[in-house]
Amino acid sequence: AQTVTQSQPEMSVQEAETVTLSCTYDTSESDYYLFWYKQPPSRQMILVIRQEAYKQQNATENRFSVNFQKAAKSFSLKISDSQLGDAAMYFCAHLGPLGGSSSNTGKLIFGQGTTLQVKP
Amino acid sequence: KAGVTQTPRYLIKTRGQQVTLSCSPISGHRSVSWYQQTPGQGLQFLFEYFSETQRNKGNFPGRFSGRQFSNSRSEMNVSTLELGDSALYLCASSLAGGNGGYTFGSGTRLTVV
Repeated sequence: AQTVTQSQPEMSVQEAETVTLSCTYDTSESDYYLFWYKQPPSRQMILVIRQEAYKQQNATENRFSVNFQKAAKSFSLKISDSQLGDAAMYFCAHLGPLGGSSSNTGKLIFGQGTTLQVKP
Repeated sequence: KAGVTQTPRYLIKTRGQQVTLSCSPISGHRSVSWYQQTPGQGLQFLFEYFSETQRNKGNFPGRFSGRQFSNSRSEMNVSTLELGDSALYLCASSLAGGNGGYTFGSGTRLTVV
């Protein structure tokens, strides 16, 4: 079964600095998708960035980038130039391939989350 | 365009009652998934629907059920509520199976007393 682990329950960063959130996962599939979601106090989960496992190039979205190490099953999120609005809980998530095992269809597996504090 | 809409936002129910939560996906999205979020267990998958068919179900008791209508709107129902069912219930939608990323609603906060 797929598992996702975030080993950092809490992280803190100074405004304008860079922070990296860690995520490891376990899967027997060769094709899958990885995501980082942000959940502010408003509760709504917001998609930050996605990575397709068959693409070696690391995804980037403005100040957000990932370091995807497929062999090591590692998927870390780097936030550059941190802003006060980045403060939230961040979740790493795994999704199996479309058309793959029926037990994985449409099923996001989430890590436990990392609470990010941004200090002014 | 409108996002994923969940109603109601807050709900208080008594043990033993049943509850129905509603989710309206983004227009054109045919896949709808439901998740339960609690401080102790984190985010857990409940079920996923595509074109009115349940394609996947998580490890929850039969008291938890759902359905999807022809307009892709989805409902989930919890019968015989228990205190442990108190949670934030999140709905998410995508075009097909989520590989482009699921869009989440703001959730329904259910409190069972």
